[in-house]
Amino acid sequence: EVQLLESGGGLVQPGGSLRLSCVASGFIFSNYALIWVRQAPGKGLEWVSGITSGGAWIYYADSVKGRFTISRDDSKHTLYLQMNSLRVEDTAVYYCAKGGNGYNFYYFDYWGLGTLVPVSS
Amino acid sequence: QSVLTQPPSVSAAPGQKVTISCSGSSSNIGNNYVSWYQQLPGTAPKLLIYDNNNRPSGIPDRFSGSKSGTSATLGITGLQTGDEANYYCGTWDSSLSAGVFGGGTKLTVL
Repeated sequence: EVQLLESGGGLVQPGGSLRLSCVASGFIFSNYALIWVRQAPGKGLEWVSGITSGGAWIYYADSVKGRFTISRDDSKHTLYLQMNSLRVEDTAVYYCAKGGNGYNFYYFDYWGLGTLVPVSS
Repeated sequence: QSVLTQPPSVSAAPGQKVTISCSGSSSNIGNNYVSWYQQLPGTAPKLLIYDNNNRPSGIPDRFSGSKSGTSATLGITGLQTGDEANYYCGTWDSSLSAGVFGGGTKLTVL
């Protein structure tokens, strides 16, 4: 059974940093692309960042470019999102999701439960 | 303002059919595959349709997807009260070099 479990969320002040983790199981982790998606309270889904298998290609939404860094540790079956210079508008539930293959981001067949990141003073 | 445009809400009676549209451009829907997701209240999104018109295993054939040009459509037949949810389209945007989602459509089964 495929499972994705996010952790690392919590209250942070504007300008602060946080690192999210997503531990995966039930599939060959290294073979698949992975993404982070966020959802602000009462709002829709926003694509944040994606990484292909092996970390060959990395992409970011303009809203987080230069502040967030995605990475993966295939030996630990873990996806990360390092978030720096956080802003109030980054407040959201952050989901990790598994891509349908290793090399593109056309669809995501499994999602974690999400971790909440409130940014507030 | 989302790159992909969806109607904010749609509604229909139980047993009826509904369609949800998703409009984009040549840099996203026009040249890339579209996927659709269902998000029930308080839960994570769930994949309904991938590669424009394919259903993952376990998704009933009441759900269907299609694409024409720079628009895509999700169809749901035999509506059930359990289908009440938010529905999102998604794809890749080759100009942005990033994924994009529609703003979401809230389905109400009256």
